[in-house]
Amino acid sequence: DSGVTQTPKHLITATGQRVTLRCSPRSGDLSVYWYQQSLDQGLQFLIQYYNGEERAKGNILERFSAQQFPDLHSELNLSSLELGDSALYFCASSPRGLAVYNEQFFGPGTRLTVL
Amino acid sequence: DQQVKQNSPSLSVQEGRISILNCDYTNSMFDYFLWYKKYPAEGPTFLISISSIKDKNEDGRFTVFLNKSAKHLSLHIVPSQPGDSAVYFCAASSSGTYKYIFGTGTRLKVLA
Repeated sequence: DSGVTQTPKHLITATGQRVTLRCSPRSGDLSVYWYQQSLDQGLQFLIQYYNGEERAKGNILERFSAQQFPDLHSELNLSSLELGDSALYFCASSPRGLAVYNEQFFGPGTRLTVL
Repeated sequence: DQQVKQNSPSLSVQEGRISILNCDYTNSMFDYFLWYKKYPAEGPTFLISISSIKDKNEDGRFTVFLNKSAKHLSLHIVPSQPGDSAVYFCAASSSGTYKYIFGTGTRLKVLA
């Protein structure tokens, strides 16, 4: 158990809908990262927050947005869903965010299926 | 453009032998590299890392080698155990970017 929790575990929805994925980092970790893993793909970095502020952006679509709240939990919002958005979405946390040299602790992921 | 490549999707090794997983990268600005292990239905778990000032880092049965001139790193597992069967991802980052670029993973199967 990494100490990172993600809810829900599974989500099935229809095209055009909007969903929110939630992540609680390990106690004390200030950085949260979101990744997308599609079938047979590596983990695609989406976005990073550090202590409530966006720190880095990766290949995140405009239909997707995220935020980190004062209690450090984070939410990833996916809207106007398309079939291709079906994937595993992982959240990771790390103690710091100002230095790149630290490992990330991953949650178990949320499996999103768009029908 | 895949900046981090794991060209072997799968690898089978006999228990007790050495497993060698390879990773190539294209961005010469990368200066920190990590390996993660992933079991089914779980998130990736950090295994070992190496910074570009080193060419080797060892942790128990796991050793990572970095060849900067070839832009290549490898993970050696000796001896391999059935519990090592998992998908292994390499990841790379460069100072100040806060981004980690992951490879597509190599599925290791250790045969008993």
